[in-house]
Amino acid sequence: GAVVSQHPSRVICKSGTSVKIECRSLDFQATTMFWYRQFPKKSLMLMATSNEGSKATYEQGVEKDKFLINHASLTLSTLTVTSAHPEDSSFYICSARSRYEQYFGPGTRLTVT
Amino acid sequence: AQSVTQLGSHVSVSEGALVLLRCNYSSSVPPYLFWYVQYPNQGLQLLLKYTTGATLVKGINGFEAEFKKSETSFHLTKPSAHMSDAAEYFCAVSGSNSGYSTLTFGKGTMLLVSP
Repeated sequence: GAVVSQHPSRVICKSGTSVKIECRSLDFQATTMFWYRQFPKKSLMLMATSNEGSKATYEQGVEKDKFLINHASLTLSTLTVTSAHPEDSSFYICSARSRYEQYFGPGTRLTVT
Repeated sequence: AQSVTQLGSHVSVSEGALVLLRCNYSSSVPPYLFWYVQYPNQGLQLLLKYTTGATLVKGINGFEAEFKKSETSFHLTKPSAHMSDAAEYFCAVSGSNSGYSTLTFGKGTMLLVSP
């Protein structure tokens, strides 16, 4: 099946700094990628839909100025958490849509100290 | 709009026993239904999906699920649990009009397998 990678897998940053997470579709082109957030023992919450070459569509309640999404190519989307705070600590998962399904990345564990 | 309800946040079975994880959905359009498995600190892996056609769907690792429209259910089963099946399982739905976009997930069921 198709492969989606995320980098980094884990990141620890200090409060107030920014962190960039990359999501790549390795063997297919994805015009649409999705970013999810998963809290401990909770389900996945869709944060935003990322469309190549256009602005991301954010879900209600997600701060677009805090969670910057860029989808510059058909194989790469990035999520930048700006001015991170401890409450932003979470597991972030991306997915890439092919014609037949969504393929999920392995996730990025963000810890803000 | 779609929603998913997974009954039971935790299900415990013995190795070799039947696995049954329940999922009920709500959808205003014909649904696409999915089961995903998540191992600790990993992303989601697709177990199986229903789009159209046969209502009994077979997936990987011996899992299967049956789409029952009259019951709005898509329960996941496996005849004999293995220790390696211990993981979190998520049921998800999307509208057939949106295909593989806009997945709505249930809250997940943790499957515990004891020797």
